[in-house]
Amino acid sequence: DTGVSQNPRHKITKRGQNVTFRCDPISEHNRLYWYRQTLGQGPEFLTYFQNEAQLEKSRLLSDRFSAERPKGSFSTLEIQRTEQGDSAMYLCASSFMVGTGELFFGEGSRLTVL
Amino acid sequence: QKEVEQNSGPLSVPEGAIASLNCTYSDRGSQSFFWYRQYSGKSPELIMSIYSNGDKEDGRFTAQLNKASQYVSLLIRDSQPSDSATYLCAVNDDYKLSFGAGTTVTVRA
Repeated sequence: DTGVSQNPRHKITKRGQNVTFRCDPISEHNRLYWYRQTLGQGPEFLTYFQNEAQLEKSRLLSDRFSAERPKGSFSTLEIQRTEQGDSAMYLCASSFMVGTGELFFGEGSRLTVL
Repeated sequence: QKEVEQNSGPLSVPEGAIASLNCTYSDRGSQSFFWYRQYSGKSPELIMSIYSNGDKEDGRFTAQLNKASQYVSLLIRDSQPSDSATYLCAVNDDYKLSFGAGTTVTVRA
């Protein structure tokens, strides 16, 4: 399978706990994106990487959220001290650095905070 | 994040009919436009991209772009029950995409 891979697919946690999601992009893609989607809404941009460099982070993103992409390969998104409002689908996408701009999404990681 | 507005729906169409979805965007400088399909509980899947004014056809799908009016649309001809999904309009915003809230389409058999 050469698509974008995310895990875990589902995570249920209690408020205040930390969670980490992993994304493995399509291997030829330089850019990696994290989005968040809640019911009835479109994906909301969180952050993106070009190779290992984090080039943009949403101003709406709480400092409880951190993302890394060591060595420009897979990426992790960590949420510290989770809150019920963090419950959402976390989507990872990747793309070529030079291209027409389309993003290819993974299956997502659904977070439920109790 | 750039604003992307879609008619909220839901849109219900009979099987075989044409479904018409509309999207407007705020930034006149936007250059790339995409339609994604999202089935319930699944991730978005790219179905169409358009970069120039006019129409672009791909099978039963036609995307239409009017940059002067800041408007992009998607037509689904001969709608099938398998087309029942949420359709997301996306616009390039520097190196990322900004998405609308989506229009949910239900095709009635």
